[in-house]
Amino acid sequence: DAKTTQPTSMDCAEGRAANLPCNHSTISGNEYVYWYRQIHSQGPQYIIHGLKNNETNEMASLIITEDRKSSTLILPHATLRDTAVYYCIVRVGGSNDYKLSFGAGTTVTVRA
Amino acid sequence: NAGVMQNPRHLVRRRGQEARLRCSPMKGHSHVYWYRQLPEEGLKFMVYLQKENIIDESGMPKERFSAEFPKEGPSILRIQQVVRGDSAAYFCASSPPVAPDSGNTIYFGEGSWLTVV
Repeated sequence: DAKTTQPTSMDCAEGRAANLPCNHSTISGNEYVYWYRQIHSQGPQYIIHGLKNNETNEMASLIITEDRKSSTLILPHATLRDTAVYYCIVRVGGSNDYKLSFGAGTTVTVRA
Repeated sequence: NAGVMQNPRHLVRRRGQEARLRCSPMKGHSHVYWYRQLPEEGLKFMVYLQKENIIDESGMPKERFSAEFPKEGPSILRIQQVVRGDSAAYFCASSPPVAPDSGNTIYFGEGSWLTVV
């Protein structure tokens, strides 16, 4: 897996958009960008993933730069329940690339 | 996380006892993974199983730990003769059969918290 770099922590105001950056400058052409989050005392929750194109689902949007060396996870309207550690992970798609490398992630605190 | 079921959620064992953690994957998923999260640390891969087969157990401690995924029933992570250092959160995850050219997603359960006293 390519190494990812994320800020250690960030604060966000409730109701505002939260933009979480991730650098993955050594990403390979067949590696996807995945985002998970872990709320305290819970299991990692899948959020979204993408390869080249921007993606959006009911939870978030994923913006991947054209050179694929970085991406941004956007939580459009953060709530207090979005307080969690967010992990950006790159892994090869269509393969048994199952050893997910959970680094330190970004600790996001949403404040009222 | 809906769908990957783990039990028990919390387990307390005395040193020397055995701990059995169970995991039922999401419907349609044939691949099961176990991860461990020690206090204040990140999740670490332990083992990858398919029905009746251990595919990769490179992350499992050499002794006392074993895992199985029988033809019928849940996957079991078994820890014999537990020690205090085994206290951790154990997460099971599952994914569907690999599809070419797709990012097959791995989904996690809520975890089983083992405390050894």
